[in-house]
Amino acid sequence: AQKITQTQPGMFVQEKEAVTLDCTYDTSDPSYGLFWYKQPSSGEMIFLIYQGSYDQQNATEGRYSLNFQKARKSANLVISASQLGDSAMYFCAMRESSGGSNYKLTFGKGTLLTVNP
Amino acid sequence: DSGVTQTPKHLITATGQRVTLRCSPRSGDLSVYWYQQSLDQGLQFLIQYYNGEERAKGNILERFSAQQFPDLHSELNLSSLELGDSALYFCASSLAGSSTDTQYFGPGTRLTVL
Repeated sequence: AQKITQTQPGMFVQEKEAVTLDCTYDTSDPSYGLFWYKQPSSGEMIFLIYQGSYDQQNATEGRYSLNFQKARKSANLVISASQLGDSAMYFCAMRESSGGSNYKLTFGKGTLLTVNP
Repeated sequence: DSGVTQTPKHLITATGQRVTLRCSPRSGDLSVYWYQQSLDQGLQFLIQYYNGEERAKGNILERFSAQQFPDLHSELNLSSLELGDSALYFCASSLAGSSTDTQYFGPGTRLTVL
């Protein structure tokens, strides 16, 4: 079974509108971290936001917020006031702690977001 | 700019050859991770080093090896290259390789095997 599922291969949004990118995860580890990264067409991976499994509040970083629903095992990324520069591939990733000292990230397949003017 | 540097940016080589990818972590980061991104496999973890020692291995082929040097830079060596090794190879670094670290990625090295 996939550990990270991103069900939206592609999403479109109008400039200045908000958009939600879905991410569900699967783990039995009580301690884990969830990350979102942005990959523009230039190829680099840009860290956006982090949510720890024990965090009581949803993470926010500027126009990015994470809608964390632990019981549903979902960690959706919300981008407010979309800009043309937000057009990119977005990856959800999870880090589990049960692997001892192995803190690798497991990535979803990504969602390609296109912001229309 | 994440502060992680990778060289070269692009690499084109032939099957059967050997290449070395280089990574310098962010200042102060002790842990380095290598990932491979390909169209069919997506982003996959290869190997992690912490302060010069191998800490974890993922789906890394036996033809691939890595090391982290005393100055904390890391090299990923790929040998007997095959067409399927063509991919974007990322290095990431984090402060201590702990469960609360954020991994910051370099710009990647795009490897093309002809």
